[in-house]
Amino acid sequence: GQSLEQPSEVTAVEGAIVQINCTYQTSGFYGLSWYQQHDGGAPTFLSYNALDGLEETGRFSSFLSRSDSYGYLLLQELQMKDSASYFCADKLSFGAGTTVTVRA
Amino acid sequence: ETGVTQTPRHLVMGMTNKKSLKCEQHLGHNAMYWYKQSAKKPLELMFVYNFKEQTENNSVPSRFSPECPNSSHLFLHLHTLQPEDSALYLCASSQDSGREDTQYFGPGTRLTVL
Repeated sequence: GQSLEQPSEVTAVEGAIVQINCTYQTSGFYGLSWYQQHDGGAPTFLSYNALDGLEETGRFSSFLSRSDSYGYLLLQELQMKDSASYFCADKLSFGAGTTVTVRA
Repeated sequence: ETGVTQTPRHLVMGMTNKKSLKCEQHLGHNAMYWYKQSAKKPLELMFVYNFKEQTENNSVPSRFSPECPNSSHLFLHLHTLQPEDSALYLCASSQDSGREDTQYFGPGTRLTVL
């Protein structure tokens, strides 16, 4: 079976850094994707790691370690608009999502 | 806007009704997907279509019936649903169903079954 585990909630203040961890147990693992979903909106793609290491895209970075079956999404310089749910995924299997709440 | 539209955005139906959800993608993709999203649970893959052919049915009850007349349109026909089927139904598309392809999601249909 496929399973991806991530924390359910994280709260932080504006300007802070948040790391959302994702551990996975999937057969035929290809790579780890991250999606953002605002309340009432569609999930939108953020990043994809096929290889070990860090991928940086602006304020967001994503990391993968295949040997540890582990990855994370790093949100830096948090802004109020970053309040949303974040999902890790291996193509067609998704984690339950982490709700990030940014406080002023 | 992600290039994937879904109608209706909200739907309330009784258990004996028949309704259909519609999804359209304007991205020239070849693969389309239906997911079910319930609160605090992972997105559940329901169906995958690649070049109009169904390639995956994730043990979905027969009261959900998908239809893909062409690569741009996907329907989900609903009949005799149960209250536990109330959820957000998301449609997505990707270039093809290869596992490295990014999926683009529609805004979803919020379904309530009374």
